Amino acid sequence: EVHLVESGGGLVQPGGSLRLSCAASGFTFTNSWMAWVRQAPGKGLEWVANIKKDGSETYYVDSVKGRFTISRDNAKNSLYLQMNTLRAEDTAVYYCARGFGIVDWGQGTLVTVSS
Amino acid sequence: EIVLTQSPATLSLSPGERATLSCRASQNVLSNFLAWYQQKPGQAPRLLISGAFIRATGIPDRFSGSGSGTDFTLTISRLEPEDFAVYYCQQYAMAPVTFGGGTKVEIK
Repeated sequence: EVHLVESGGGLVQPGGSLRLSCAASGFTFTNSWMAWVRQAPGKGLEWVANIKKDGSETYYVDSVKGRFTISRDNAKNSLYLQMNTLRAEDTAVYYCARGFGIVDWGQGTLVTVSS
Repeated sequence: EIVLTQSPATLSLSPGERATLSCRASQNVLSNFLAWYQQKPGQAPRLLISGAFIRATGIPDRFSGSGSGTDFTLTISRLEPEDFAVYYCQQYAMAPVTFGGGTKVEIK
């Protein structure tokens, strides 16, 4: 059974940083593109970033380019999202996800950016 | 960027009725890389359809996807009580991947 478990969310002040982690199990991590998807309170889904199987390619939504960095450690079956210069509009539940037509989602971790 | 516009924003129907949800893309979605998701409050989304019309594992056959190019449709043939939720379309043909704004299917 596939498991994606996010951690690292919390309350942070505007301009601050957070690093989200996602521990993956139940599938061959090195064979999967991975992604972060977020959902602001009461709003729709937004694709944040994704990363190729070997980490050689990454893509970002324009609103986070230059501030967020997606990475992975295939030896640890883990996905990361380093978030810098956080803004109030980054407040959301962040989901770790596998693939493009996403069958497997984590439970989400809440990031709140507020003073 | 491919912009996806879903309509209507809200659909008010009764159990047993047919639901037709639309997703229109601002440009062609190549290879029909279009997916549909269902989301209930407090839960992660659930994949219903990928490749425009391929039902995901375990999805009942009352859910069907159709369309190509820029116009796609999700049809729920007979609404069950558990189908009242928010539905999103997503294109993964071109970076960045994008989602539509969602259609809420509510009980009339």
